Amino acid sequence: EPEVTQTPSHQVTQMGQEVILRCVPISNHLYFYWYRQILGQKVEFLVSFYNNEISEKSEIFDDQFSVERPDGSNFTLKIRSTKLEDSAMYFCVTRKTEANYGYTFGSGTRLTVV
Amino acid sequence: DQQVKQNSPSLSVQEGRISILNCDYTNSMFDYFLWYKKYPAEGPTFLISISSIKDKNEDGRFTVFLNKSAKHLSLHIVPSQPGDSAVYFCAATRGSTLGRLYFGRGTQLTVWP
Repeated sequence: EPEVTQTPSHQVTQMGQEVILRCVPISNHLYFYWYRQILGQKVEFLVSFYNNEISEKSEIFDDQFSVERPDGSNFTLKIRSTKLEDSAMYFCVTRKTEANYGYTFGSGTRLTVV
Repeated sequence: DQQVKQNSPSLSVQEGRISILNCDYTNSMFDYFLWYKKYPAEGPTFLISISSIKDKNEDGRFTVFLNKSAKHLSLHIVPSQPGDSAVYFCAATRGSTLGRLYFGRGTQLTVWP
């Protein structure tokens, strides 16, 4: 079964450093999302991306965050200057079409900011 | 943001019995509901879904019931198996948007032999 691949699986970074989380979506999927889950809390929406642009973002997704799909395959989430509260599990999610509700989650990147 | 609520953080059921996981929502614009299962150190895995035009959807041992008037849905697992032990998330979305999912906090299901 096709998978959404995320790298790295775990990243430790110092506060204030930039991090880039990478995702390889399922090849024929068109809609891409980032979600995160802080330990003990609910899964939260960050951003959705379609047709090479952001289609929706949450209040969490401030100027420190950015997404891009530079080469048509990888989908990345960049956090420009990490804070302690950015420590969470970050999930890349992809979906085939708008009419298809088959959201597929990657296995996640655990980001730890120290 | 409490638009989707799972009020039971945990549920413990004996193998072979029925597990019932509950979920409530507040936003009447939600028209599609999904259940995900999550094992530690893995991403959520899609389990079953239901559209707001239906009140029941069944897939093998899993059945989801939707009560729109009560804004309530439930996931039934019959019979429960030890391998079902995981965190179960309820999620909802509005078809008119580009797919933002709203999640509940999850319920830890433990199925014991």
